[in-house]
Amino acid sequence: DIQMTQSPSTLSASLGDRVTITCRASQSISSWLAWYQQKAGKVPKLLIYKASSLESGVPSRFSGSGSGTEFTLTISSLQPDDFATYHCQQYDSYPWTFGQGTKVEIK
Amino acid sequence: EVQLVESGGGLVQPGGSLKLSCAASGFTFSASAMHWVRQASGKGLEWVGRIRSKPNSHTTSYAASVEGRFTISRDDSKNTAYLQMNSLKTEDTAVYYCASLTFPGGFWGQGTLVTVSS
Repeated sequence: DIQMTQSPSTLSASLGDRVTITCRASQSISSWLAWYQQKAGKVPKLLIYKASSLESGVPSRFSGSGSGTEFTLTISSLQPDDFATYHCQQYDSYPWTFGQGTKVEIK
Repeated sequence: EVQLVESGGGLVQPGGSLKLSCAASGFTFSASAMHWVRQASGKGLEWVGRIRSKPNSHTTSYAASVEGRFTISRDDSKNTAYLQMNSLKTEDTAVYYCASLTFPGGFWGQGTLVTVSS
C-alpha cells in the first residue's frame, strides 16, 4: 500500500499568513493527489485534485503543486474560514490512502 | 440536489456484525463507483473500500484493515450501496461515510456512527 505522510501535524498561523502543508507519498503517484478541507463535525470538502487543479468554487488563495512523491498545498493569505484540518489523498492505485491530516490553528 | 444518506449505524459488541446503507439521489447512481471512508474520533480519514458500476462488473476493492471482514455491495434498482461489516473489532469504531469520490466533483454523505464496544 502507498503510505501518505503529511507535515506538519499541527500548524499555528495568523490571519494573512502564507501557509504551506506538505504531503509525501511512499512511491510515485504521478499527479493523482487530492487535498480536502475538513472542519470540526463536518464532511470533508474537496479543494484540489490532480495535484494542482482547483475544484470549482474554491477560492484562488488555495493552490497545489508537486508530482511524483512530494506535494504541497499553499494558502496564500490565511482567512478566518481557513482554520480547519487538511487531508491529502492519493488515488493512483488501490487501496486509496489518506495522509494523517494537518490541523491549521490560530496563532 | 445530490444526496447521500447513510443509515444503519449503532452500538455492536466485538465480534458482531452490522450492515450500513447509503441511499443516493440526484445523480446517476448506477453509473457511479461508490466508496466508503471512515474516521475515528479525533483521527484522520481512512478509505475503506469501493464498488464499481455494472459496466465495470461491480468490482470491489478494500483496505487491508478490513479485507475479508467487510463486503461492499449495491442495488442499482434502489439507488443504494451497502457495507456489510462482520467480525467487528473495537478499532472499527468510527463515523462511516459513503461517497462518490470523483475528481473533479464528488460528494459525501453526512456519515453514520458505528461503535464497537462490550
